[in-house]
Amino acid sequence: KQEVTQIPAALSVPEGENLVLNCSFTDSAIYNLQWFRQDPGKGLTSLLLIQSSQREQTSGRLNASLDKSSGRSTLYIAASQPGDSATYLCAVSSGANNLFFGTGTRLTVIP
Amino acid sequence: NAGVTQTPKFRILKIGQSMTLQCTQDMNHNYMYWYRQDPGMGLKLIYYSVGAGITDKGEVPNGYNVSRSTTEDFPLRLELAAPSQTSVYFCASSEHVGGRVGGQPQHFGDGTRLSIL
Repeated sequence: KQEVTQIPAALSVPEGENLVLNCSFTDSAIYNLQWFRQDPGKGLTSLLLIQSSQREQTSGRLNASLDKSSGRSTLYIAASQPGDSATYLCAVSSGANNLFFGTGTRLTVIP
Repeated sequence: NAGVTQTPKFRILKIGQSMTLQCTQDMNHNYMYWYRQDPGMGLKLIYYSVGAGITDKGEVPNGYNVSRSTTEDFPLRLELAAPSQTSVYFCASSEHVGGRVGGQPQHFGDGTRLSIL
């Protein structure tokens, strides 16, 4: 069974810093990987989706990379802002009927 | 464009009661999903549907039922509520691409917070 791990569980950084969130998965036979943002009391918002044939995706200040063979993905956030404070989840599509989610990294950006 | 709408937002049930969590989407997506999120745990798939009239079990289906009579609606039913079903429930939808779950970004509702006492 696919296991998805996110480290660290929580992270605090001062505003303006660049930061990296990590995601690892145990089964490299994935279709794609998604990064989501979850604000308190809210649902998930899809940030980036990387297909298994791709190495990275970019959207604004966000860049996600995928190394399928090693079972790793990173989410890079440039010039962090207080509005980036949220929980970030990664999920891998592995098989015909499931997304497997990590438990998330809770990010706090301090003004 | 409301996206995915879930009702109710909060609910408290007694053990053994039943209820239906409502989910509707206005994006004409074929794929719809129900997840539960427990504290400190990742989301787990309960049921999913690839189109009207078609549903299938996910990772944790026991104690739940679903139906999909229209493209827009995907209700989740709890028949005999148990304390283990206390959780936050999320409904999501996505476009159908290549028959693979996760081929397109999933759009989530804001969740239903359910407590069973």
